[in-house]
Amino acid sequence: NAGVTQTPKFRILKIGQSMTLQCTQDMNHNYMYWYRQDPGMGLKLIYYSVGAGITDKGEVPNGYNVSRSTTEDFPLRLELAAPSQTSVYFCASSRAVGERPSQFFGPGTRLTVL
Amino acid sequence: GESVGLHLPTLSVQEGDNSIINCAYSNSASDYFIWYKQESGKGPQFIIDIRSNMDKRQGQRVTVLLNKTVKHLSLQIAATQPGDSAVYFCAENLNFGNEKLTFGTGTRLTIIP
Repeated sequence: NAGVTQTPKFRILKIGQSMTLQCTQDMNHNYMYWYRQDPGMGLKLIYYSVGAGITDKGEVPNGYNVSRSTTEDFPLRLELAAPSQTSVYFCASSRAVGERPSQFFGPGTRLTVL
Repeated sequence: GESVGLHLPTLSVQEGDNSIINCAYSNSASDYFIWYKQESGKGPQFIIDIRSNMDKRQGQRVTVLLNKTVKHLSLQIAATQPGDSAVYFCAENLNFGNEKLTFGTGTRLTIIP
């Protein structure tokens, strides 16, 4: 299994541009998550999904949107990029049925908004 | 909301010595805890977890201790190696059926050769 994969690895955006961060998992996990990690800080939950077609807001959802049309994919959309969205973004997934809720993370996308 | 905090932001340990990384949590309802390791430029990697009905769990070179009385969690790494240098996060889960985790800020562990 490849686990959780994210693309791109790095991206520089201008203020007001939009982009989609891609996330795919091949572990048949029901749950998927998007976090951001600012320098020297912990992880903050942006959005999460408990299954295809179901998404919910996390701690810091403003400025982001998500969709979950399949079990495998959970893209994160930034519509109007702002400097405050400069961060490293991690996608994670957890729990096939019957497993512990430990989350498994992708390698991250480093985003800079100038 | 509730948060998970760490006592020390940085820790330096001599190679071969044991490391102890501490974590305080504030929500007594939390019933599942995880330690993650994050190497530079990478995503967090699962190390070990523990349910609240346990006070100790051992893995390969790692042990997690849970003290519910004082809401304290620790990660012990035996015979540290250079590859153990990383940031370590604890995370708590508020009841086993809730999929959300709350992460602490992290402790940077540096192994001195």
